[in-house]
Amino acid sequence: GQSLEQPSEVTAVEGAIVQINCTYQTSGFYGLSWYQQHDGGAPTFLSYNALDGLEETGRFSSFLSRSDSYGYLLLQELQMKDSASYFCAVRDGSGNTGKLIFGQGTTLQVKP
Amino acid sequence: DGGITQSPKYLFRKEGQNVTLSCEQNLNHDAMYWYRQDPGQGLRLIYYSQIVNDFQKGDIAEGYSVSREKKESFPLTVTSAQKNPTAFYLCASVGRFSSGANVLTFGAGSRLTVL
Repeated sequence: GQSLEQPSEVTAVEGAIVQINCTYQTSGFYGLSWYQQHDGGAPTFLSYNALDGLEETGRFSSFLSRSDSYGYLLLQELQMKDSASYFCAVRDGSGNTGKLIFGQGTTLQVKP
Repeated sequence: DGGITQSPKYLFRKEGQNVTLSCEQNLNHDAMYWYRQDPGQGLRLIYYSQIVNDFQKGDIAEGYSVSREKKESFPLTVTSAQKNPTAFYLCASVGRFSSGANVLTFGAGSRLTVL
């Protein structure tokens, strides 16, 4: 089956850089996505990697290494509003199913 | 504006009662999903539907039921068979499935509490 592993919590200070890792096990692979969820809110899409390498979107970047079944989300110039939970997600690799699986999430706490 | 509407936002239920959570989207999306989230936990897939009149079980389907009679609507019924139904329920949708990102759009969620 599919599984994703992320650290449960990360703490950093304003202005710093933080990296949130995600390792996955899937029977097939269709890319790794990242979502952000503020407390009590709905998750929102951040980024997607289908190929190896770094994708940059403003202060956020996401990296993928398919050979290592590993990816990370990099948040730069941290702001207090970045305090949230971050989830990696993959699509079930079996056939054309639309089953999307999420990791347990990493809670990021940004301190002044 | 296009989006996903979930109702009710908060719901209280007595043990042994069935309850139905509504999910409506006006994004013309083909696929719809129901996830459950417990405090400090990730999103666990309950059911999903890739097309009208068809749906598949997710990882924790026991005690839940769904229907997909219209493209816009994907209601979730939490039955009395669900042993621990108190949770935050999120509905989501995605456009035509492709080999790309398949970005999920989420509703605001429904928080169910069993008394």
